[in-house]
Amino acid sequence: EVQLVESGGGLVQPGGSLRLSCAASGFTSSDYWMTWVRQAPGKGLEWVADIKQDGSEKYFVDSVKGRFTISRDNVKNSLYLQMNSLRDEDTAVYYCGRENSYDSGDYRFSPYYYIDVWGKGTTVTVSS
Amino acid sequence: DIQVTQSPSSLSASVGDRVTITCRASQSIATYLNWYQQKSGKGPNLLIYAASSLQSGVPSRFSGSGSGTDFTLTITNLQPGDFATYYCQQAYNTPNTFGQGTRLEIK
Repeated sequence: EVQLVESGGGLVQPGGSLRLSCAASGFTSSDYWMTWVRQAPGKGLEWVADIKQDGSEKYFVDSVKGRFTISRDNVKNSLYLQMNSLRDEDTAVYYCGRENSYDSGDYRFSPYYYIDVWGKGTTVTVSS
Repeated sequence: DIQVTQSPSSLSASVGDRVTITCRASQSIATYLNWYQQKSGKGPNLLIYAASSLQSGVPSRFSGSGSGTDFTLTITNLQPGDFATYYCQQAYNTPNTFGQGTRLEIK
């Protein structure tokens, strides 16, 4: 069964750090871009970061740039999110996702990316 | 960043109804638009990718259309399990922003 399981969430004080992990099973994670998406309490989804198959490209939403780092260990089939200098507004459920792609075959268009596998999420609470 | 605006923010409907949710991007995104369903307390589930391609295993009652800046998700013959929150997401460039969500409730 294709599955993603997040861990590492918890309560942390403002300014603190936390490292989230995501364990992939049922597929070879090194074949895919992987992503983190978060959801603040009662709010919508916010794309946070993603990382290329070999880790050579990484992208972040502006609000976490310089504070969060995304990494992966393809031997362990795992994805990580290192969160430093945490703020109250980082409080959220953090979801790990697999970014699959569809190539239309038309050279004019880049592949289409979408998140087709999601974990159940891990909760991060930043509070004093 | 590309802004994505969904409407309505909430919607009431009955079992068997047909509903439409719209998503508008702040600039043209061709057909780089995905739709997700999220039920309370759970992770999202992919419904539609590339604006109109139905994800495997998703009922054909769900359909997507649009290109450029305007997109729609249509659900026909609403079933009890369809009452959830729906999000669109642009995948044209990073950050891959989501719409604010549309909560579909039972009338």
